[in-house]
Amino acid sequence: EAGVTQFPSHSVIEKGQTVTLRCDPISGHDNLYWYRRVMGKEIKFLLHFVKESKQDESGMPNNRFLAERTGGTYSTLKVQPAELEDSGVYFCASSQTRQGDEQFFGPGTRLTVL
Amino acid sequence: AQSVSQHNHHVILSEAASLELGCNYSYGGTVNLFWYVQYPGQHLQLLLKYFSGDPLVKGIKGFEAEFIKSKFSFNLRKPSVQWSDTAEYFCAVYTNAGKSTFGDGTTLTVKP
Repeated sequence: EAGVTQFPSHSVIEKGQTVTLRCDPISGHDNLYWYRRVMGKEIKFLLHFVKESKQDESGMPNNRFLAERTGGTYSTLKVQPAELEDSGVYFCASSQTRQGDEQFFGPGTRLTVL
Repeated sequence: AQSVSQHNHHVILSEAASLELGCNYSYGGTVNLFWYVQYPGQHLQLLLKYFSGDPLVKGIKGFEAEFIKSKFSFNLRKPSVQWSDTAEYFCAVYTNAGKSTFGDGTTLTVKP
């Protein structure tokens, strides 16, 4: 069974540019989560999809971040325009059930904004 | 707001030493507790979890953790570490409010 995949693995962009990160969850997992880890700090929750619906987006830092999950399969996270403080590792995770079940993580996308 | 505190950011041990990594959380309601591990170059993966029942849970690779409700703690233990346990360890809490919160992580280095 394929795990959670993320693309790209690394992205280096300049301040003001736009970047789109992609996450493909495990097939059949309705729940998809985005997290971010900045500078070795804690892994911070960004948002949670159940199928194509945003269940909780309370962790999104500001309106420069836009997440979508059209069709309830893969998800994209767009940062526009990127700022220096957006640098970090963006993780995606998926799970079958929402109620605190194990989340399966992707390898992460390391974003560097110069 | 809920939070998770991991007491040690970096732990260095020799092989065969015993390990205990501290984790405390702040949330007054029902929680599910997890320890995840990230080995060098690999994905985050589940080490063990506690939902209910016996507060002493056993995970993969000889790890165990004990949930002490009165102390809001979920410390990770292993009696004898191996070089292959070198990794970063994350404590995480899922609350009945629907939130997942992770700690800062503890980097464990085991010297051969």
